[in-house]
Amino acid sequence: SQQGEEDPQALSIQEGENATMNCSYKTSINNLQWYRQNSGRGLVHLILIRSNEREKHSGRLRVTLDTSKKSSSLLITASRAADTASYFCATFSNFGNEKLTFGTGTRLTIIP
Amino acid sequence: NAGVTQTPKFRVLKTGQSMTLLCAQDMNHEYMYWYRQDPGMGLRLIHYSVGEGTTAKGEVPDGYNVSRSTTEDFPLRLLSAAPSQTSVYFCASSYSRGRGGEYFGAGTRLSVL
Repeated sequence: SQQGEEDPQALSIQEGENATMNCSYKTSINNLQWYRQNSGRGLVHLILIRSNEREKHSGRLRVTLDTSKKSSSLLITASRAADTASYFCATFSNFGNEKLTFGTGTRLTIIP
Repeated sequence: NAGVTQTPKFRVLKTGQSMTLLCAQDMNHEYMYWYRQDPGMGLRLIHYSVGEGTTAKGEVPDGYNVSRSTTEDFPLRLLSAAPSQTSVYFCASSYSRGRGGEYFGAGTRLSVL
C-alpha cells in the first residue's frame, strides 16, 4: 500500500479560490515533499518540509505537517488556471532503507 | 541546462521484444532513479543509482535492467517486454537521496501489445 494517501482524489474550484489538499502517511518520516504534475509531463518539486517543522511557505503555497497525526496539507491561495494539475505528496524515511514514497495524487482543476 | 532528458517519448512494443529507455541529466547529480506511473498507483521505484558504477533495486525491479557507466546516463532496459509493463516511465535525478527535490524527465509512454 502507498505510504502517502492524498485526499481528495479530485478537486474542482473556481479561479481565485483557495485549494487545500491533504496527505496522510503511516510510518515515521524525515521529511515530506509535495510535487506537481501537469498533464503529460514529469513531476516538479514544489516544497519540502522536515519532520521538525510545522509550517512552511513558498509564494502562494503553504504546507503544514502534523507528525502526531501523520498528516500534511498543501494550501494553494488565490488559485489560477495554470494551477490545474495533479499534486503528489512524497514521504522520505531513512529508518532502515532510505525510501521516498509517493502517494496517488490529487487532481486539481481550476475553473476560469 | 536541459535538466533530465528522456528518449523516446512514446513507444509501442510487441510482447517479447526488448528495448532501452534512455535518460541523461546535465546537473552533475549523483543520484538517479527510474519510476513507473500507473493509474491509481502513484509512482513506484524500479531501480536507482547512488553514483557512477552503482545500481540498486527499488520496489518493482523484475523484468528491468539498469547500468550507470557515467554520471550523466542511466538507461533502463526491458529484457522481454510483457503487457504488464505498459506504463509511463519517468527518470529522475537528485543531488541527495530524499533530502532535496528530485528532478524529473518528461516521461516515456510505453505500450506493450
